[in-house]
Amino acid sequence: EPEVTQTPSHQVTQMGQEVILRCVPISNHLYFYWYRQILGQKVEFLVSFYNNEISEKSEIFDDQFSVERPDGSNFTLKIRSTKLEDSAMYFCASSGDRDRSYQETQYFGPGTRLLVL
Amino acid sequence: QKEVEQDPGPLSVPEGAIVSLNCTYSNSAFQYFMWYRQYSRKGPELLMYTYSSGNKEDGRFTAQVDKSSKYISLFIRDSQPSDSATYLCAFSLNYQLIWGAGTKLIIKP
Repeated sequence: EPEVTQTPSHQVTQMGQEVILRCVPISNHLYFYWYRQILGQKVEFLVSFYNNEISEKSEIFDDQFSVERPDGSNFTLKIRSTKLEDSAMYFCASSGDRDRSYQETQYFGPGTRLLVL
Repeated sequence: QKEVEQDPGPLSVPEGAIVSLNCTYSNSAFQYFMWYRQYSRKGPELLMYTYSSGNKEDGRFTAQVDKSSKYISLFIRDSQPSDSATYLCAFSLNYQLIWGAGTKLIIKP
Protein backbone atom coordinates (compact mmCIF):
# COMPACT_ATOMS: atom_id res chain seq x y z
CA GLU A 1 0.00 0.00 0.00
CA PRO A 2 1.44 3.41 -0.92
CA GLU A 3 2.43 5.59 2.00
CA VAL A 4 3.86 8.98 2.86
CA THR A 5 7.42 8.87 4.14
CA GLN A 6 9.33 11.50 6.10
CA THR A 7 12.96 12.06 6.97
CA PRO A 8 14.56 12.43 9.39
CA SER A 9 12.49 10.78 12.09
CA HIS A 10 14.18 12.94 14.73
CA GLN A 11 16.07 16.22 14.44
CA VAL A 12 17.80 18.14 17.20
CA THR A 13 18.99 21.65 16.41
CA GLN A 14 20.20 24.78 18.12
CA MET A 15 17.98 27.84 18.31
CA GLY A 16 18.56 30.09 15.32
CA GLN A 17 19.65 27.30 13.02
CA GLU A 18 17.90 26.39 9.80
CA VAL A 19 16.24 23.00 9.42
CA ILE A 20 14.78 21.25 6.42
CA LEU A 21 12.22 18.52 6.92
CA ARG A 22 11.66 16.18 4.01
CA CYS A 23 8.64 14.27 2.81
CA VAL A 24 7.88 11.94 -0.05
CA PRO A 25 4.11 12.08 -0.66
CA ILE A 26 2.08 9.29 -2.24
CA SER A 27 3.20 9.25 -5.85
CA ASN A 28 -0.01 10.12 -7.71
CA HIS A 29 -1.24 12.71 -5.23
CA LEU A 30 -1.46 16.35 -6.22
CA TYR A 31 -2.04 18.13 -2.89
CA PHE A 32 0.52 18.32 -0.12
CA TYR A 33 0.33 19.57 3.43
CA TRP A 34 2.35 20.22 6.54
CA TYR A 35 0.92 20.02 10.04
CA ARG A 36 2.53 20.19 13.42
CA GLN A 37 1.66 18.82 16.84
CA ILE A 38 3.25 20.27 19.94
CA LEU A 39 3.50 17.60 22.64
CA GLY A 40 0.14 17.15 24.34
CA GLN A 41 -1.66 19.58 22.05
CA LYS A 42 -3.89 19.45 18.98
CA VAL A 43 -2.67 18.85 15.48
CA GLU A 44 -2.38 22.25 13.76
CA PHE A 45 -2.49 23.03 10.07
CA LEU A 46 0.51 24.88 8.68
CA VAL A 47 0.26 24.98 4.90
CA SER A 48 -1.17 23.33 1.81
CA PHE A 49 0.53 23.19 -1.58
CA TYR A 50 -0.80 22.50 -5.03
CA ASN A 51 0.52 23.02 -8.53
CA ASN A 52 3.81 24.36 -7.21
CA GLU A 53 2.32 27.06 -5.08
CA ILE A 54 0.87 27.57 -1.62
CA SER A 55 -2.92 27.26 -1.69
CA GLU A 56 -3.55 28.04 1.96
CA LYS A 57 -1.50 28.79 5.07
CA SER A 58 -2.21 29.35 8.72
CA GLU A 59 -1.10 32.16 11.02
CA ILE A 60 1.64 29.88 12.30
CA PHE A 61 3.22 29.74 8.84
CA ASP A 62 5.08 33.05 8.99
CA ASP A 63 8.11 34.29 7.08
CA GLN A 64 10.36 31.84 8.92
CA PHE A 65 8.68 28.96 7.13
CA SER A 66 8.83 27.98 3.48
CA VAL A 67 7.86 24.95 1.43
CA GLU A 68 9.21 23.61 -1.79
CA ARG A 69 8.76 20.74 -4.18
CA PRO A 70 12.28 20.60 -5.57
CA ASP A 71 11.65 17.62 -7.82
CA GLY A 72 8.86 15.25 -8.78
CA SER A 73 8.86 13.33 -5.54
CA ASN A 74 10.05 15.38 -2.56
CA PHE A 75 8.18 18.03 -0.59
CA THR A 76 10.15 20.02 1.97
CA LEU A 77 9.45 22.32 4.90
CA LYS A 78 12.20 24.78 5.79
CA ILE A 79 12.37 26.69 9.03
CA ARG A 80 14.89 29.48 8.55
CA SER A 81 15.77 30.42 12.10
CA THR A 82 14.37 27.97 14.60
CA LYS A 83 12.89 29.05 17.92
CA LEU A 84 12.36 27.02 21.06
CA GLU A 85 8.61 27.04 20.42
CA ASP A 86 9.13 25.32 17.06
CA SER A 87 9.79 22.10 18.96
CA ALA A 88 7.03 19.77 17.84
CA MET A 89 6.17 16.77 15.72
CA TYR A 90 5.85 17.80 12.08
CA PHE A 91 3.60 15.75 9.85
CA CYS A 92 3.47 15.75 6.10
CA ALA A 93 0.28 14.65 4.35
CA SER A 94 -0.91 14.23 0.79
CA SER A 95 -4.25 13.83 -0.95
CA GLY A 96 -6.10 13.99 -4.23
CA ASP A 97 -5.10 12.15 -7.37
CA ARG A 98 -7.00 14.49 -9.69
CA ASP A 99 -7.69 18.20 -9.95
CA ARG A 100 -10.19 19.65 -7.47
CA SER A 101 -10.07 16.51 -5.37
CA TYR A 102 -8.31 18.21 -2.48
CA GLN A 103 -11.26 17.55 -0.22
CA GLU A 104 -10.50 13.90 -0.31
CA THR A 105 -8.86 12.32 2.63
CA GLN A 106 -5.35 13.19 3.61
CA TYR A 107 -2.81 10.48 4.32
CA PHE A 108 -0.15 11.24 6.86
CA GLY A 109 3.48 10.35 7.21
CA PRO A 110 5.02 9.11 10.47
CA GLY A 111 6.31 12.56 11.37
CA THR A 112 9.61 14.24 12.21
CA ARG A 113 10.20 15.06 15.84
CA LEU A 114 12.00 18.40 15.98
CA LEU A 115 13.68 19.52 19.17
CA VAL A 116 15.10 23.03 19.33
CA LEU A 117 17.59 23.64 22.13
CA GLN B 1 -17.10 28.49 21.48
CA LYS B 2 -14.36 26.27 20.09
CA GLU B 3 -14.73 25.19 16.48
CA VAL B 4 -14.36 21.51 17.44
CA GLU B 5 -14.97 19.97 20.85
CA GLN B 6 -13.74 16.51 21.75
CA ASP B 7 -13.45 15.02 25.22
CA PRO B 8 -9.76 14.19 25.76
CA GLY B 9 -10.53 11.27 28.10
CA PRO B 10 -8.93 8.98 28.96
CA LEU B 11 -11.74 6.54 28.29
CA SER B 12 -11.08 3.11 29.77
CA VAL B 13 -13.28 0.14 28.85
CA PRO B 14 -12.96 -3.65 29.12
CA GLU B 15 -12.05 -5.76 26.10
CA GLY B 16 -15.09 -6.65 24.03
CA ALA B 17 -17.08 -3.55 24.98
CA ILE B 18 -18.68 -1.18 22.50
CA VAL B 19 -16.88 2.16 22.46
CA SER B 20 -18.51 5.45 21.54
CA LEU B 21 -16.34 8.44 20.69
CA ASN B 22 -17.84 11.83 19.90
CA CYS B 23 -17.10 15.29 18.55
CA THR B 24 -19.21 18.38 18.20
CA TYR B 25 -18.47 21.19 15.80
CA SER B 26 -19.77 24.65 15.10
CA ASN B 27 -18.75 25.40 11.50
CA SER B 28 -21.44 24.51 8.97
CA ALA B 29 -18.89 24.90 6.16
CA PHE B 30 -17.04 21.72 7.08
CA GLN B 31 -17.12 19.43 4.07
CA TYR B 32 -15.72 16.04 5.04
CA PHE B 33 -15.83 14.33 8.42
CA MET B 34 -13.03 12.01 9.41
CA TRP B 35 -11.73 9.84 12.18
CA TYR B 36 -8.04 9.21 12.61
CA ARG B 37 -6.26 6.92 15.04
CA GLN B 38 -2.91 7.93 16.48
CA TYR B 39 -0.62 5.66 18.41
CA SER B 40 1.90 7.26 20.73
CA ARG B 41 4.55 9.26 18.83
CA LYS B 42 3.20 8.15 15.44
CA GLY B 43 1.38 9.91 12.63
CA PRO B 44 -2.43 10.00 12.41
CA GLU B 45 -3.83 7.02 10.55
CA LEU B 46 -7.07 7.45 8.64
CA LEU B 47 -9.84 5.18 9.89
CA MET B 48 -12.98 6.45 8.26
CA TYR B 49 -14.36 9.42 6.40
CA THR B 50 -17.73 10.55 5.17
CA TYR B 51 -19.34 13.68 3.80
CA SER B 52 -23.03 13.12 4.45
CA SER B 53 -25.29 12.61 7.43
CA GLY B 54 -25.97 9.01 8.37
CA ASN B 55 -23.95 5.94 9.21
CA LYS B 56 -20.99 4.37 7.47
CA GLU B 57 -19.69 0.99 8.51
CA ASP B 58 -16.28 -0.61 8.00
CA GLY B 59 -15.70 -3.84 9.86
CA ARG B 60 -15.86 -3.17 13.59
CA PHE B 61 -16.04 0.60 13.05
CA THR B 62 -19.12 2.73 12.40
CA ALA B 63 -18.95 6.46 11.73
CA GLN B 64 -22.08 8.49 12.31
CA VAL B 65 -22.69 12.08 11.24
CA ASP B 66 -25.59 14.29 12.24
CA LYS B 67 -25.18 17.57 10.38
CA SER B 68 -28.32 19.10 11.87
CA SER B 69 -26.92 18.67 15.39
CA LYS B 70 -23.31 19.21 14.29
CA TYR B 71 -22.26 16.00 15.94
CA ILE B 72 -20.17 13.07 14.77
CA SER B 73 -19.49 9.75 16.44
CA LEU B 74 -17.26 6.74 16.01
CA PHE B 75 -18.40 3.39 17.36
CA ILE B 76 -16.02 0.49 17.85
CA ARG B 77 -17.56 -2.95 18.34
CA ASP B 78 -15.81 -5.86 20.04
CA SER B 79 -13.00 -3.60 21.19
CA GLN B 80 -9.52 -5.09 21.38
CA PRO B 81 -6.43 -4.07 23.40
CA SER B 82 -4.84 -3.14 20.06
CA ASP B 83 -7.52 -0.46 19.68
CA SER B 84 -5.88 1.42 22.56
CA ALA B 85 -4.80 4.72 20.99
CA THR B 86 -5.84 8.34 20.68
CA TYR B 87 -8.77 8.90 18.34
CA LEU B 88 -8.97 12.23 16.59
CA CYS B 89 -11.90 13.68 14.73
CA ALA B 90 -11.01 15.94 11.83
CA PHE B 91 -13.04 18.16 9.55
CA SER B 92 -12.04 19.37 6.12
CA LEU B 93 -12.40 23.02 5.24
CA ASN B 94 -11.07 23.84 1.80
CA TYR B 95 -7.42 22.82 1.84
CA GLN B 96 -6.97 22.15 5.55
CA LEU B 97 -8.11 19.83 8.29
CA ILE B 98 -9.45 21.19 11.57
CA TRP B 99 -8.79 18.77 14.42
CA GLY B 100 -10.32 17.77 17.70
CA ALA B 101 -8.06 17.40 20.70
CA GLY B 102 -8.25 13.60 20.52
CA THR B 103 -9.73 11.08 22.96
CA LYS B 104 -7.31 8.67 24.58
CA LEU B 105 -8.89 5.20 24.58
CA ILE B 106 -7.65 2.37 26.79
CA ILE B 107 -8.97 -1.15 26.26
CA LYS B 108 -8.28 -3.31 29.30
CA PRO B 109 -7.67 -7.04 28.60
